Amino acid sequence: DAGVTQSPTHLIKTRGQQVTLRCSPISGHKSVSWYQQVLGQGPQFIFQYYEKEERGRGNFPDRFSARQFPNYSSELNVNALLLGDSALYLCASSLDGGWTGNTIYFGEGSWLTVV
Amino acid sequence: GQNIDQPTEMTATEGAIVQINCTYQTSGFNGLFWYQQHAGEAPTFLSYNVLDGLEEKGRFSSFLSRSKGYSYLLLKELQMKDSASYLCAMAEDSNYQLIWGAGTKLIIKP
Repeated sequence: DAGVTQSPTHLIKTRGQQVTLRCSPISGHKSVSWYQQVLGQGPQFIFQYYEKEERGRGNFPDRFSARQFPNYSSELNVNALLLGDSALYLCASSLDGGWTGNTIYFGEGSWLTVV
Repeated sequence: GQNIDQPTEMTATEGAIVQINCTYQTSGFNGLFWYQQHAGEAPTFLSYNVLDGLEEKGRFSSFLSRSKGYSYLLLKELQMKDSASYLCAMAEDSNYQLIWGAGTKLIIKP
């Protein structure tokens, strides 16, 4: 079975540009969460989607947006990139996003560098 | 408010045992995760505790005390490949996000 897949794996953007990151969850998983991990820190929650609806949003500016498609894949968009947006962006897949003991699986991440 | 703390760095010897502690504060606790993260890679799931006690999985064990807001990850028979960061993350009742510690960098020496 394929795990959580993310694309692209690495990318470099210029300040002010826009970026779209993509995530395909594990087959059968209906929930996708996005996290930002700056070097040397733990991940910070950005969004959770379940059944194509936004179920939670972290403390990120409106430049960050996301959506989930009927096949449960997801996109994270970041507009007007800042140097501080340079980070590893992680997509997490789970059955329903809840805390019933099911595990949460992470993709390999997308490394974004803003110059 | 919510808070989660773990040591920044620990050093241990190959073949030994190491315990990584994690303390947390939250108004609505719903479980504690441990993840391993090698440099440049994504976190890998190690364990999930929601009830008090010890969960054992091979060389790795995780303990939880809800009354004390405390968890630890115990690694036995350390191998060089165990050199990594270990992150604890708590799940809360009221939302669907994980609150993460900053991670403990574990250095294994021969």
